[in-house]
Amino acid sequence: KNQVEQSPQSLIILEGKNCTLQCNYTVSPFSNLRWYKQDTGRGPVSLTIMTFSENTKSNGRYTATLDADTKQSSLHITASQLSDSASYICVVSGRDGGSQGNLIFGKGTKLSVKP
Amino acid sequence: DSGVTQTPKHLITATGQRVTLRCSPRSGDLSVYWYQQSLDQGLQFLIQYYNGEERAKGNILERFSAQQFPDLHSELNLSSLELGDSALYFCASSGGDGRSYEQYFGPGTRLTVT
Repeated sequence: KNQVEQSPQSLIILEGKNCTLQCNYTVSPFSNLRWYKQDTGRGPVSLTIMTFSENTKSNGRYTATLDADTKQSSLHITASQLSDSASYICVVSGRDGGSQGNLIFGKGTKLSVKP
Repeated sequence: DSGVTQTPKHLITATGQRVTLRCSPRSGDLSVYWYQQSLDQGLQFLIQYYNGEERAKGNILERFSAQQFPDLHSELNLSSLELGDSALYFCASSGGDGRSYEQYFGPGTRLTVT
């Protein structure tokens, strides 16, 4: 069964610290993996999209890595800011990359950054 | 601002009623997606339209229906509402070929059923 598991479920860190969020998936065949940031009550915003051939991608203080062999991805946040407090959602797409039918959503990691 | 607009922002209605949520995609995007997000739950995909045609179906209840109009805006109709239908409903749109990886989400409509 195609699944996307994220860990931890929630995380509290101090402002300025780094953190890493994990995403493990069993989706096969694999097309791409996306990380979204969702502020409470707002729509998700895309952070990174990686295809099979990409193993790292950065967007400012956010760096995503992908290991397609072990079916694992991580999102590393550097020098966290209060505004990083949000849910981070991992989404994996099957072979037909754009077709919604193959998009599998993780439940997200809720990050709280404290001053 | 993603360029995707949704109306209304908030909706409060009673059980058994019917409501319509509206979404306008980004200029040039042909695909529209609808999602439901209940309190502290992940996003649940409901349905996708591409250029007016239904493209993919997710966990959409029979009481719910959607359509995409010639001007590409979409409406999600929810009928015989139940308390459990209270949720945030998001619309997203993606690129013209229907196979773009990127989805742009609207701000959502918060539905409260009392």
